Amino acid sequence: AQSVTQLDSHVSVSEGTPVLLRCNYSSSYSPSLFWYVQHPNKGLQLLLKYTSAATLVKGINGFEAEFKKSETSFHLTKPSAHMSDAAEYFCVVSVTDSWGKLQFGAGTQVVVTP
Amino acid sequence: GAGVSQSPSNKVTEKGKDVELRCDPISGHTALYWYRQSLGQGLEFLIYFQGNSAPDKSGLPSDRFSAERTGGSVSTLTIQRTQQEDSAVYLCASSSRTGGGQPQHFGDGTRLSIL
Repeated sequence: AQSVTQLDSHVSVSEGTPVLLRCNYSSSYSPSLFWYVQHPNKGLQLLLKYTSAATLVKGINGFEAEFKKSETSFHLTKPSAHMSDAAEYFCVVSVTDSWGKLQFGAGTQVVVTP
Repeated sequence: GAGVSQSPSNKVTEKGKDVELRCDPISGHTALYWYRQSLGQGLEFLIYFQGNSAPDKSGLPSDRFSAERTGGSVSTLTIQRTQQEDSAVYLCASSSRTGGGQPQHFGDGTRLSIL
């Protein structure tokens, strides 16, 4: 069965410094992976997705993620945090051999300090 | 273009009452999904529609929960005889097709509070 583990429940960064959100996945097959962001009282917004093309995936708002099969990781990074990046971030895997059911990680809350 | 629309945005009701939550997907999206998001439980899948049929309703927590979709568009999630543990944010999502790698587009949710 597929699953994702987000290694940090909370991350605090200073504005202008790099952001790293860690995600490990478990899958018997080549997975489809996503990162979503949720701002307070809002729905989830797709940041980027990996579907077995390039291993370095660029998303919106300056975020990118690298798929590393040898490490079963899909970490999300941004070179320079902005105050508007304060939100909750979810790493998500698509369950293989299903209709595309998504399995969500527990989420990482990001706090950005001035 | 218009995204996924959910109504109401907030709902407060007394324990034991029935509630209906509405989801209007992105135009042309054939797949529609309901999720529940609560503290300590994360995001839970409830039900998936392809057109008007529900091939996977395995996430509905009890027979008090039901959902329907008509005309391949709007969906309604109904909770009967509400309990305090039903308090949560109910999120709806849609996608243009299904299959691995297909992203889902989410609405802003309905925040349900049971008194």
